[in-house]
Amino acid sequence: NAGVTQTPKFRILKIGQSMTLQCTQDMNHNYMYWYRQDPGMGLKLIYYSVGAGITDKGEVPNGYNVSRSTTEDFPLRLELAAPSQTSVYFCASSYVWGTGANVLTFGAGSRLTVL
Amino acid sequence: AQSVTQLGSHVSVSEGALVLLRCNYSSSVPPYLFWYVQYPNQGLQLLLKYTSAATLVKGINGFEAEFKKSETSFHLTKPSAHMSDAAEYFCAVVPYSGAGSYQLTFGKGTKLSVIP
Repeated sequence: NAGVTQTPKFRILKIGQSMTLQCTQDMNHNYMYWYRQDPGMGLKLIYYSVGAGITDKGEVPNGYNVSRSTTEDFPLRLELAAPSQTSVYFCASSYVWGTGANVLTFGAGSRLTVL
Repeated sequence: AQSVTQLGSHVSVSEGALVLLRCNYSSSVPPYLFWYVQYPNQGLQLLLKYTSAATLVKGINGFEAEFKKSETSFHLTKPSAHMSDAAEYFCAVVPYSGAGSYQLTFGKGTKLSVIP
């Protein structure tokens, strides 16, 4: 059972380049999330999805796009990379039913540097 | 809107000493509360969660936390620190009910150092 798998683990981009961070989960979770983590700032929610075909913005969505064509996959797209997007990105998933406690399973992270 | 405040971005304790990491929350409705731990170069993993069943919650690795509504707190403790406890700890809150209320709000984290 792999859980949540993110690729790549590390990437260096030049300003203005584009890239996609991949995220796959094999737990049949309905909810998926993308967070960014900056030193001393905790985790900020970028986008989330409540199921295939449904996505919504989180706290810091500008400069990012997502899609959810299957239950398993939730890629994060950076269209025009900027230095402010240098961060560690975490994908997470959870199974949400009713109003139960929402326990997230996290991937190992993708460290992105924009120069 | 809910928020979480973790007091102290960095806490140092001696091996064998008490660990106390502080978390205060604000929420307009009774919340679910969580502590997650992040070891170096890894993702976050759940340490424990409060879901209103019991105010004292026991988690993995000997950690526990007590929900105190009157103080709006959910502090994390461990009686005796071990070197392997060195990590960053995040408190998180989600409102108890309501559609669209499944988004966790994380605190800024507390980095725990354990001195041999």
